[in-house]
Amino acid sequence: DAKTTQPTSMDCAEGRAANLPCNHSTISGNEYVYWYRQIHSQGPQYIIHGLKNNETNEMASLIITEDRKSSTLILPHATLRDTAVYYCIVTFNAGNNRKLIWGLGTSLAVNP
Amino acid sequence: NAGVTQTPKFRVLKTGQSMTLLCAQDMNHEYMYWYRQDPGMGLRLIHYSVGEGTTAKGEVPDGYNVSRLKKQNFLLGLESAAPSQTSVYFCASSHTGSNEQFFGPGTRLTVL
Repeated sequence: DAKTTQPTSMDCAEGRAANLPCNHSTISGNEYVYWYRQIHSQGPQYIIHGLKNNETNEMASLIITEDRKSSTLILPHATLRDTAVYYCIVTFNAGNNRKLIWGLGTSLAVNP
Repeated sequence: NAGVTQTPKFRVLKTGQSMTLLCAQDMNHEYMYWYRQDPGMGLRLIHYSVGEGTTAKGEVPDGYNVSRLKKQNFLLGLESAAPSQTSVYFCASSHTGSNEQFFGPGTRLTVL
């Protein structure tokens, strides 16, 4: 699986957009970009995923560059409850290589 | 729907004791996973299952055994616990063809 690089930590003001970057320069053509988050002491929570196109759901938006070597997770109006560690993972959706490889993620602090 | 549940939530063992962690899901998912999470490290896959009656080794399988006798349950066993197995254990499940994994709340295990 391709490796990802994320900043260790970020800050964001409550009510503002949080933009979390992820580099995955070795991503292969069939690998998806997945984002999860983990609020302190809880199990990780799926946020969103995409292959090529930008994606949006009720939680966030995912912007993938045209060359697919990087992506950005956008939380449009961050709240205090969005304080968590955010993980960017690239993986296949099927086959033996579909396992998730977790890094250390980005610790996002949303400040009042 | 309860989603993914884990039993117990907390446990303290002495070195050499055995125990079984139970994971149950009510979403009819084919895939189930056991992870461990240690301070300063990402989640690491211990074992996983692609369906009832099947199991496979993950990244860190040594010292653990698993069984998937029923589709909805995935058991993780420690035959002879060691202090190195002190960790938080997370169970997850997903449908075939997706890496949207649903996580349980975790089991905090301490081995003295």
